[in-house]
Amino acid sequence: DQQVKQNSPSLSVQEGRISILNCDYTNSMFDYFLWYKKYPAEGPTFLISISSIKDKNEDGRFTVFLNKSAKHLSLHIVPSQPGDSAVYFCAASEARGSGGSNYKLTFGKGTLLTVNP
Amino acid sequence: KAGVTQTPRYLIKTRGQQVTLSCSPISGHRSVSWYQQTPGQGLQFLFEYFSETQRNKGNFPGRFSGRQFSNSRSEMNVSTLELGDSALYLCASSLSWATRRGYTFGSGTRLTVV
Repeated sequence: DQQVKQNSPSLSVQEGRISILNCDYTNSMFDYFLWYKKYPAEGPTFLISISSIKDKNEDGRFTVFLNKSAKHLSLHIVPSQPGDSAVYFCAASEARGSGGSNYKLTFGKGTLLTVNP
Repeated sequence: KAGVTQTPRYLIKTRGQQVTLSCSPISGHRSVSWYQQTPGQGLQFLFEYFSETQRNKGNFPGRFSGRQFSNSRSEMNVSTLELGDSALYLCASSLSWATRRGYTFGSGTRLTVV
């Protein structure tokens, strides 16, 4: 049972245009969401995150939108650049445990973004 | 500041063998997590250690085990390797096990089981 789903395995966009990567989740206990970017032969790198108390978070060219009622989040990259070509992972965490929390991350399968010059 | 270091980078093992992978976290980071990445399943959580104690465990069989040393370095072990264990194994570290901003990942160990 996949709790975080990225239904588009790949996305191709022209340089300068907007890239929109989507992510759906099923676990209503998730309260923190993250996007990671991964280049081949490297580990994922943290990109941007959002808490469930917000519906938008912006960092430069990257904006994440959260729609809790739809259990959907999206990552917008504007403008897209060839260097943005990578696999993007959506991840979610929930507070659990006693005396604090164990924030393991549940990842989607990733979307390969290709930005064409 | 050095990043998360995983050794070896590549490994080829035969079915039935066992393997040990190593992870050195960023200096000062005390939490280490392990993930398995496969093309079909994405990144799946294996376990997390903090102060030499396993804090959280994913849904993997008992053939997958790990440990953390007093210097925060961590190892994971897979016994009786199966072909399906072929994957990229990623280690990630964070300052504490209660981090909310995610982790810093290493470049991974690519394990191929033949």
